Amino acid sequence: NAGVTQTPKFQVLKTGQSMTLQCAQDMNHNSMYWYRQDPGMGLRLIYYSASEGTTDKGEVPNGYNVSRLNKREFSLRLESAAPSQTSVYFCASSLRTAQETQYFGPGTRLLVL
Amino acid sequence: TQLLEQSPQFLSIQEGENLTVYCNSSSVFSSLQWYRQEPGEGPVLLVTVVTGGEVKKLKRLTFQFGDARKDSSLHITAAQPGDTGLYLCAVPASNAGGTSYGKLTFGQGTILTVHP
Repeated sequence: NAGVTQTPKFQVLKTGQSMTLQCAQDMNHNSMYWYRQDPGMGLRLIYYSASEGTTDKGEVPNGYNVSRLNKREFSLRLESAAPSQTSVYFCASSLRTAQETQYFGPGTRLLVL
Repeated sequence: TQLLEQSPQFLSIQEGENLTVYCNSSSVFSSLQWYRQEPGEGPVLLVTVVTGGEVKKLKRLTFQFGDARKDSSLHITAAQPGDTGLYLCAVPASNAGGTSYGKLTFGQGTILTVHP
């Protein structure tokens, strides 16, 4: 049972480049989340999806877009990367609500030069 | 928007010592979760507390939810190097009227290092 998987594990971008972070879960969860983690700031929610076909903004959505492709997959896109988007990105899922156990992927480490 | 304050921000101790970390806010919460994140990995849920005054134990870890459901503490007895990691508390995000936004707000975390 893979749980939550994320690709890629590491990525280096130049300012202005675009990329998509992929996330998939095999637990038949309804809700999925994208967070970024920066030193001293805990986890901040970028976007979340309470069910297939719906997405909502979190605390720090500017500069990002998401797609809930199907129940399993939730992707995060950076259209024009900026150095301020250098961070570690985590995808998570939960069965229904955010208050239930969230299962996190291993993270994607992104460096924007 | 709830503000969660975790303290201390950093904690470095020797194996065998006891420690307590705190998660505080001025808001009342319906529940509170504690996660542990090891270096290079994603956070893993340790416990959820839902009742004011509730105490839960997980081996050497003791979690307490404040009577007023505004704060929580995590106490580790006889810390081991395997306890090293980032400890995060999280609460359901809601507006002033108490309506849940269906998402969590995390504190900034306590980085614990236990030296052999």
